[in-house]
This record gives sequence, structure tokens and C-alpha cells, in this order.
Amino acid sequence: DTVLTQSPALAVSPGERVSISCRASEGVNSYMHWYQQKPGQQPKLLIYKASNLASGVPARFSGSGSGTDFTLTIDPVEADDTATYFCQQSWNDFTFGSGTKLEIK
Amino acid sequence: EVQLVESGGGLVQPGRSLKLSCAASGFTFSNYYMAWVRQAPTKGLEWVASITNSGGSTYYRDSVKGRFTISRDNAKSTLYLQMDSLRSEDTATYYCTREGPRRSLDYWGQGVMVTVSS
Repeated sequence: DTVLTQSPALAVSPGERVSISCRASEGVNSYMHWYQQKPGQQPKLLIYKASNLASGVPARFSGSGSGTDFTLTIDPVEADDTATYFCQQSWNDFTFGSGTKLEIK
Repeated sequence: EVQLVESGGGLVQPGRSLKLSCAASGFTFSNYYMAWVRQAPTKGLEWVASITNSGGSTYYRDSVKGRFTISRDNAKSTLYLQMDSLRSEDTATYYCTREGPRRSLDYWGQGVMVTVSS
């Protein structure tokens, strides 16, 4: 299985820029996607195929990367962005990262 | 508006069966691959199974192969997950999802809880 590694937690202040990383154990050919999950809710697609913004998602969110290293950037961060962010690859079956919990100070 | 509404969850004893349903609306169901994803309490996300738009091909994670069966009824716009020989480690919230661009999961249901316990 392709393992996706994310840092467990980050804390930033409103208005700042934050980058959340995801490293794959093998190349996933840009088939990397990002999701936001708020407490008690289902996940929501933010970015698909590494850098494409999903419908209705604010332009404050962006994605980059290729091969094995990918990044989700939020700029500027807002209080409502408090959530856990998951990466997911679909190049080799489906696997998810363990999630990065973002706290807004 | 795309909607996915799961049902059929509950408490079940180990070794027993349960069948989940997902009613889809707001899009042409027969045009899309669909998938089930689960999330154990306070844990991360885990893909369970996928099915092609026609239902002709299905795919499973290793830990559920031979125990779970994904299926669909395009006439009823409904996705199913038959879960047999349930184990405690199958305890999770199960989400019905639509596969979108490059097999991202672009819509999710609200989830249904399955608890396997004696």
C-alpha cells in the first residue's frame, strides 16, 4: 500500500499563511487530493489532482506538488478553518494520510 | 444539489451481518463510480470498496475481501454495502462517496455508524 505521511498538528494565528505537507511512500503521479473535516461532519473535498480547486472552495486554499511531496496551503487562514486536513492518493487503490489537525490561535 | 443519504447502520454482534444503503440524488447516478469509506472513532479515513458506474467491476481493501460486497441499483439510484462476518475492527462511521475527477471523492454522505460488539 502507498503510505501517506502527514504532520499531526499545527497552530497558526488568523491572517497567517499555513502549509500542510503530505509525503507519499512512492510516486502517485499527481493523483493527490485534499479534504477538510470539521468535528462531527463528513469530509469535504478541497483540492483534486494536486492543484485543482474543488467547486465552491475559496481561493484561499491551494495545492501544489508532484511525485511524492505535496502541500496544501491556506492563505490567509481564518478562524473557520479549524479542522483536520487529510490527503488521499488514488494512483494505487486509495489511501489516506492520518490527518493534520489545524488549530487557529 | 447532490445528496447522498446513508441508512442501515446500528449495533450488531460479531459474526453477524448488516447491509448499508445510500440513496443518491441530484446527479445522474449511473454515470459515476461510487465508493464506501469508513472512519473508526477518533481515527483516520479508510477506503473500503469501490464500484464502477455500471456495477460491472468492484474493488475492495484486503481486510474486507470475501466478507463485504458492494453493489448498486442504477434504476433506484442506490448504492449498497453488504457486510458479513463482521468483526470488532469494522466498528466505524461508514460514508457513501461519489468518485469525481481523477478518482477524488467529491461528495460525501453524512455517514452511518456501525458498531460491532457483543
